[in-house]
Amino acid sequence: EPEVTQTPSHQVTQMGQEVILRCVPISNHLYFYWYRQILGQKVEFLVSFYNNEISEKSEIFDDQFSVERPDGSNFTLKIRSTKLEDSAMYFCASILGRARDNSPLHFGNGTRLTVT
Amino acid sequence: SQELEQSPQSLIVQEGKNLTINCTSSKTLYGLYWYKQKYGEGLIFLMMLQKGGEEKSHEKITAKLDEKKQQSSLHITASQPSHAGIYLCGAAGGGSQGNLIFGKGTKLSVKP
Repeated sequence: EPEVTQTPSHQVTQMGQEVILRCVPISNHLYFYWYRQILGQKVEFLVSFYNNEISEKSEIFDDQFSVERPDGSNFTLKIRSTKLEDSAMYFCASILGRARDNSPLHFGNGTRLTVT
Repeated sequence: SQELEQSPQSLIVQEGKNLTINCTSSKTLYGLYWYKQKYGEGLIFLMMLQKGGEEKSHEKITAKLDEKKQQSSLHITASQPSHAGIYLCGAAGGGSQGNLIFGKGTKLSVKP
């Protein structure tokens, strides 16, 4: 069964450094997402991406964050200058169509980001 | 904004026992999703419910959405150690295209 794949599985970085989290969504999916989960807290929506542009973003997704689909397969999340509070599990997800159209979100296994 | 409340927060059951997890929404649900998460791993899609009164089953797991579409339950029959994990309910948020709001999750442990 096709999967959403994320790399790396674990990333450790120093405060102030830039990080790029990578995802390969399922190949025929059209909508791409980033979610995050701070340890012990809820899974939270960050951003959705469709047709090479951001379609929706949450309050969490501030100017420090950016997303890109640099080629036909990868989908990346960049954090420009990491803060301690960015430490979390970051999940990439993709969907064939809109959630209300009967297509479930498929999640990757996540990248655990630790900012020291 | 919409909130999802799950209960219980955690559950320990003996293998073979049945259990139920509940998810209550502060607003009408237009799509309710159940996911399972193992510690440190991704979310695995279990089921999606959309219509009031709808019920779906997959193997030993049954999920229902009430008629008023504000509450869902997930029932596991004859639990096994493989059922252990964190069960999350998610709802289509006020936005669009897969912007899901999640509950805090219910941590299930199954004792052999």
